Amino acid sequence: EDQVTQSPEALRLQEGESSSLNCSYTVSGLRGLFWYRQDPGKGPEFLFTLYSAGEEKEKERLKATLTKKESFLHITAPKPEDSATYLCAVRYNNNDMRFGAGTRLTVKP
Amino acid sequence: NAGVTQTPKFQVLKTGQSMTLQCAQDMNHNSMYWYRQDPGMGLRLIYYSASEGTTDKGEVPNGYNVSRLNKREFSLRLESAAPSQTSVYFCASSAGPRGFSDTQYFGPGTRLTVL
Repeated sequence: EDQVTQSPEALRLQEGESSSLNCSYTVSGLRGLFWYRQDPGKGPEFLFTLYSAGEEKEKERLKATLTKKESFLHITAPKPEDSATYLCAVRYNNNDMRFGAGTRLTVKP
Repeated sequence: NAGVTQTPKFQVLKTGQSMTLQCAQDMNHNSMYWYRQDPGMGLRLIYYSASEGTTDKGEVPNGYNVSRLNKREFSLRLESAAPSQTSVYFCASSAGPRGFSDTQYFGPGTRLTVL
């Protein structure tokens, strides 16, 4: 069955404490992996798209990487304003799209 | 440039009532989507429209209908609401057609409760 699994479900960090979020997928014919940020009560906000294993993209304190089975979102020296739910999604086969349930990140000052 | 807008922001319905959720985008995008988001689950696609004049079912279409009114607007209708349709509904758009490089941009959501 095609699945997208994010871990952990929730992550609490101290300000400045770097960590990584994981998105693993079991789909065939990956066409793209997307990372979104979602703040409470708002719609998902696009962060990155990755297309092939080995690809990396960065934006401020965030860095996304992709392998053949999973993607990581690395957060370096996070700040409280990085607190949000981070969603990953994969596009595969005939442009089907599947989202993970998200990782809820809390960064304490 | 407002991006993707949705109305209403909140709605409470009784079982069996009907309503239409409205979505509009001002980015000249071809493709539009309706998702629902439930606690502990990922966003699930209800319907999508790859281009003006076309609509297709997604993962969870039962109980819903859609209309692509024009290139800008895509509405979602609940004909007879059920408690299982309590959810947050998101509209999204992308430049399209649904190619593999197609980034979706989301609206702020409609929070629907069916009693």
